[in-house]
Amino acid sequence: GQQLNQSPQSMFIQEGEDVSMNCTSSSIFNTWLWYKQDPGEGPVLLIALYKAGELTSNGRLTAQFGITRKDSFLNISASIPSDVGIYFCAGLWNWGAQKLVFGQGTRLTINP
Amino acid sequence: NAGVTQTPKFQVLKTGQSMTLQCAQDMNHNSMYWYRQDPGMGLRLIYYSASEGTTDKGEVPNGYNVSRLNKREFSLRLESAAPSQTSVYFCAVVDSYGYTFGSGTRLTVV
Repeated sequence: GQQLNQSPQSMFIQEGEDVSMNCTSSSIFNTWLWYKQDPGEGPVLLIALYKAGELTSNGRLTAQFGITRKDSFLNISASIPSDVGIYFCAGLWNWGAQKLVFGQGTRLTINP
Repeated sequence: NAGVTQTPKFQVLKTGQSMTLQCAQDMNHNSMYWYRQDPGMGLRLIYYSASEGTTDKGEVPNGYNVSRLNKREFSLRLESAAPSQTSVYFCAVVDSYGYTFGSGTRLTVV
């Protein structure tokens, strides 16, 4: 089946540092999504990307849809303690009954 | 996670026992999904339902059954639980912006 490779698997940073993570795929997608999961909760959507080359920001978060449609990255600037959690990328070919394919996740830990 | 409610939040089963995980949405969406989450593996699709009365297998359907009796509810059943089914289970619905997930059911099979 389709696979998404997300890296890094984990990050340990100091508060205030910038963070960068990415996802690559062997298949093309028409939509890339980035989720954050807090302990004991379900993933929550952070950013959605719908067009190749698109660069979208949400506060301190910036994500880009790769031009080849096979990759995406997420940057977090000036990290704060509440950024701790697991970040997932996900790819989608079409909306509706198409399954969402997830990366393995990046676990972010922040040292105050 | 407003709009998608999962019950129970936690469950411990003995090998061979059966149980049903419940999911209900108040968002009036057609498509609903069941995922399982295991460490280092992201979320994997078990079953999905494109509309009331229809269901289809996802990536890891073995050992599970589902039921979509109405638009609001989508249940996941384990007929004979196995330790390999120890996981966190998430129900999700799709809307205009992405998938909305419930808060999960943490299942342990001993």
